[in-house]
Amino acid sequence: EPEVTQTPSHQVTQMGQEVILRCVPISNHLYFYWYRQILGQKVEFLVSFYNNEISEKSEIFDDQFSVERPDGSNFTLKIRSTKLEDSAMYFCASSEAQGGGGTDTQYFGPGTRLTVL
Amino acid sequence: AQKVTQAQTEISVVEKEDVTLDCVYETRDTTYYLFWYKQPPSGELVFLIRRNSFDEQNEISGRYSWNFQKSTSSFNFTITASQVVDSAVYFCALLNSGYSTLTFGKGTMLLVSP
Repeated sequence: EPEVTQTPSHQVTQMGQEVILRCVPISNHLYFYWYRQILGQKVEFLVSFYNNEISEKSEIFDDQFSVERPDGSNFTLKIRSTKLEDSAMYFCASSEAQGGGGTDTQYFGPGTRLTVL
Repeated sequence: AQKVTQAQTEISVVEKEDVTLDCVYETRDTTYYLFWYKQPPSGELVFLIRRNSFDEQNEISGRYSWNFQKSTSSFNFTITASQVVDSAVYFCALLNSGYSTLTFGKGTMLLVSP
């Protein structure tokens, strides 16, 4: 069964460093997402991406965040200068987007646990 | 604005008991979609079910069943004859038509003991 994959599973970084989280969405999916979950809290939307541009973004997704689809398979989230409060589990998700809509079921990857020291 | 409330923070049951997880949602839209996801201790988010706002038919999948009631804005999830492997955090989520963002509830942690 096709699945979303994410690398690395765990990333430890120093405050102020840049990190890139990588995702490979399900191959025929066209809509991609990043969510985060601070430990013990609910899952929060960061950004959605369709047709090579950001479709929606939340207040959390400020200038220190960026997303990119560098090739036909990968989808990345970059955090330019990490802060302690960026420590969280980051989930990538994808959906089919039949007809260009973003309301299809989102399938999530296993997550990347980011720890900022 | 949309909101999902899962009032039960943690539920503990003994194996083979039935358990119902509550979910109440708020939205101004007439077209929307509701979801349940399971987060086992390993951390991934596993899709369980999707319902659209026009389909109030209850659904059963094995030991799992879902009760969608628009009149009370609820989408409750029942596990029959619970098993230890059901131990996880369960999230209810809402997606409004025209948007691509899932709004999650805070989750209910279910602990099933032998």
